[in-house]
Amino acid sequence: SQQGEEDPQALSIQEGENATMNCSYKTSINNLQWYRQNSGRGLVHLILIRSNEREKHSGRLRVTLDTSKKSSSLLITASRAADTASYFCATGEETSGSRLTFGEGTQLTVNP
Amino acid sequence: DGGITQSPKYLFRKEGQNVTLSCEQNLNHDAMYWYRQDPGQGLRLIYYSQIVNDFQKGDIAEGYSVSREKKESFPLTVTSAQKNPTAFYLCASSIGWGGRQTQYFGPGTRLLVL
Repeated sequence: SQQGEEDPQALSIQEGENATMNCSYKTSINNLQWYRQNSGRGLVHLILIRSNEREKHSGRLRVTLDTSKKSSSLLITASRAADTASYFCATGEETSGSRLTFGEGTQLTVNP
Repeated sequence: DGGITQSPKYLFRKEGQNVTLSCEQNLNHDAMYWYRQDPGQGLRLIYYSQIVNDFQKGDIAEGYSVSREKKESFPLTVTSAQKNPTAFYLCASSIGWGGRQTQYFGPGTRLLVL
């Protein structure tokens, strides 16, 4: 079952620009996580934001969460060609024992 | 050097053949997962195991089987009943089960049909 939906599906920007990806979900959540996947590789966890948090930073990453709109955004500042990858949001529902559910991902291309 | 390993990196299957994908972790994690990823798509859950000697079907378990005899190992068998097995298979683990956990992924196995 699909919980998170990313928008846009694909994003192409120039090096140095900021990249913003959005994730919408349907049910009440305990947390929302962002993962990155380089082509042909496994996913790597980037950041987790809990339902009682509104914003979180990690290096050049900034994640926001709006539980009233059931949406999150991932901002990558001063992008680099090495940021080219697919980015997935994953939601952990509020119900304990529920699983982590991944979205379809946003393909980010950063042109040098 | 802790982490999750998957082997082989590429696997070729002939018609009617069963193949087994290996997944090993030395993170001492209780929970392990198998996902299937088709080109340009997200992850679909095949099977998961919350603890050793236990496993549960995910969303697309038909044509697949697993075992969890050791905490470190969670092999996936793609049986001949899986009619469209060509995909990228990802194994993951987490300290415990559930949506509150961060998952750690292996590098993946790409399965191709001859």
